[in-house]
Amino acid sequence: DIQMTQSPSSLSASVGDRVTITCQASQDISNYLNWYQQKPGKAPKLLIYDASNLETGVPSRFSGSGSGTDFTFTISSLQPEDIATYYCQQYTTFGPGTKVDIK
Amino acid sequence: QVTLKESGPVLVKPTETLTLTCTVSGFSLSNARMGVSWIRQPPGKALEWLAHIFSNDEKSYSTSLKSRLTISKDTSKSQVVLTMTNMDPVDTATYYCARILADSSGYFLFDYWGQGTLVTVSS
Repeated sequence: DIQMTQSPSSLSASVGDRVTITCQASQDISNYLNWYQQKPGKAPKLLIYDASNLETGVPSRFSGSGSGTDFTFTISSLQPEDIATYYCQQYTTFGPGTKVDIK
Repeated sequence: QVTLKESGPVLVKPTETLTLTCTVSGFSLSNARMGVSWIRQPPGKALEWLAHIFSNDEKSYSTSLKSRLTISKDTSKSQVVLTMTNMDPVDTATYYCARILADSSGYFLFDYWGQGTLVTVSS
């Protein structure tokens, strides 16, 4: 089975900061990597699919890049409503998540 | 508009069998490239995929839980049912169902999720 790792496991940043999360696959997954946002007490929400495609209705401050084994998720300007845990996913495997807080 | 809603018991006893139902609307369980998955999340922990089923009745299960899980669907009722046997307190979690979009190339994502249902395992 493919393993997914994420880093960092948590981060604290100020409003307006650029935030970057990385996800690494244990083997080449091409661009089949998706990113989800989960706010406390809520179901996950798809933000980015196929590594870099923004889901309809998702703000453009969210972006993704990468292919093969290394992927990056970026929030260009952190907003208070972005407080959440972010997960990468490939097929049936989720990463361990990155919790994002406001400093 | 696509919706999924989980239903089932909120409390089960150790060794009992859990049966959860996902009722979907806004799409058909017979649509090609679409499936439904069950995913759980223990309190404060990460998401864990459990099982999925596609329109052609193709099924897949978590390797670690395969012996305890059964997934099925009733297309006429727009329902997907998951049973998990021999429940244990470590199975306490929020259980989500989610719609899958997938194709043979490797594209596989969960685009709509239910609100989740918290199941507690305790005597």
